[in-house]
Amino acid sequence: GAGVSQSPSNKVTEKGKDVELRCDPISGHTALYWYRQSLGQGLEFLIYFQGNSAPDKSGLPSDRFSAERTGGSVSTLTIQRTQQEDSAVYLCASSSRLAGYRHQETQYFGPGTRLLVL
Amino acid sequence: QKEVEQNSGPLSVPEGAIASLNCTYSDRGSQSFFWYRQYSGKSPELIMFIYSNGDKEDGRFTAQLNKASQYVSLLIRDSQPSDSATYLCAVSGNYGGSQGNLIFGKGTKLSVKP
Repeated sequence: GAGVSQSPSNKVTEKGKDVELRCDPISGHTALYWYRQSLGQGLEFLIYFQGNSAPDKSGLPSDRFSAERTGGSVSTLTIQRTQQEDSAVYLCASSSRLAGYRHQETQYFGPGTRLLVL
Repeated sequence: QKEVEQNSGPLSVPEGAIASLNCTYSDRGSQSFFWYRQYSGKSPELIMFIYSNGDKEDGRFTAQLNKASQYVSLLIRDSQPSDSATYLCAVSGNYGGSQGNLIFGKGTKLSVKP
């Protein structure tokens, strides 16, 4: 079946502009995650959605970052007033994460959105 | 602060050799452990996961877990140039707890020389 999809694949924007990044998880997956990966760095957790529960926003670096997930499926990550340090690859992942089934913690990643803030 | 540590490398091995990648983690309550491979410019892809102490084999890959020592390793037998990539270790929080995300190490870059 289809994997995790993200759009756009690349985004170039000017400092101070707002951007929206989209993630479409694997069908039926209840958990959705956003990560950021700067050049040559590891994955930085941003936010996690699980079903209808309140999202875990503990990784968001500032209040310029927000995310929502509509209808338990598609998610949008919004970065307001972008800064040059926001330049990175933004990765989305999903998992089924059903209680009692450990292997379903496995996260499957989308191709990412490469964001460049000039 | 829960941490996952990996040697950044690069780890260079000759073709056909065994590559050994190591990872330590700080949260003793961690339950699930994952190895991802990430080629340059690509997103991470799962290689394997392990939950129980001991070894788990899948083809040329063997994951080893030692919860008492809080380390997990990945062995790649008969290494091929196509195995050249960055290998990410990931650890999940206490199962059933509120933490849903995986904590990733910064990765070890592996280079397999022909």
